[in-house]
Amino acid sequence: DAKTTQPNSMESNEEEPVHLPCNHSTISGTDYIHWYRQLPSQGPEYVIHGLTSNVNNRMASLAIAEDRKSSTLILHRATLRDAAVYYCILRVPNTGNQFYFGTGTSLTVIP
Amino acid sequence: GAGVSQTPSNKVTEKGKYVELRCDPISGHTALYWYRQSLGQGPEFLIYFQGTGAADDSGLPNDRFFAVRPEGSVSTLKIQRTERGDSAVYLCASSPTGPQAKQYFGPGTRLTVT
Repeated sequence: DAKTTQPNSMESNEEEPVHLPCNHSTISGTDYIHWYRQLPSQGPEYVIHGLTSNVNNRMASLAIAEDRKSSTLILHRATLRDAAVYYCILRVPNTGNQFYFGTGTSLTVIP
Repeated sequence: GAGVSQTPSNKVTEKGKYVELRCDPISGHTALYWYRQSLGQGPEFLIYFQGTGAADDSGLPNDRFFAVRPEGSVSTLKIQRTERGDSAVYLCASSPTGPQAKQYFGPGTRLTVT
């Protein structure tokens, strides 16, 4: 299983940017980096994904290190609705594309 | 459009009983996944279907667990002789095929074995 390492928890003030780090030192050249988040009592939901280049969408930005051994999910302005567990996942193309989740980072947003 | 749905939302059963958990994926999604999530943990992969066939069942913990997807759409996860350790939230996800395809998760079924 491709492994990722994330801090167990982080806090952010509302309206401020949040940078959620992820280490994936065993990543191979074809592994995609996916981020999902799970709000309380819900199934995980897609946030963003990338391969080599930084990515932006309406929810967040993904910054990928040049050596691809780490990445950072950036929420530009945290809101109370962003309080969730954030999972960084490596997706291996030549398998069934199933996800191997770690324990994720629990984000608390302080009003 | 309709998302992934799972029934029942909650299931309480006695130790030793048989249970079935149902997943209705998004229409047209060829891939379907089952995961299990224990309290405080991330989801754990159980089984993956591509169409009607189980392409990878390496995550099933033992032979008490079985899943089917006979027509390539709805899937049922079956657990025989349930044990208290089977208590968890069982999540289903579906997606189009491909390494960039998003997985769409259902709300899960909370199984409690007493």
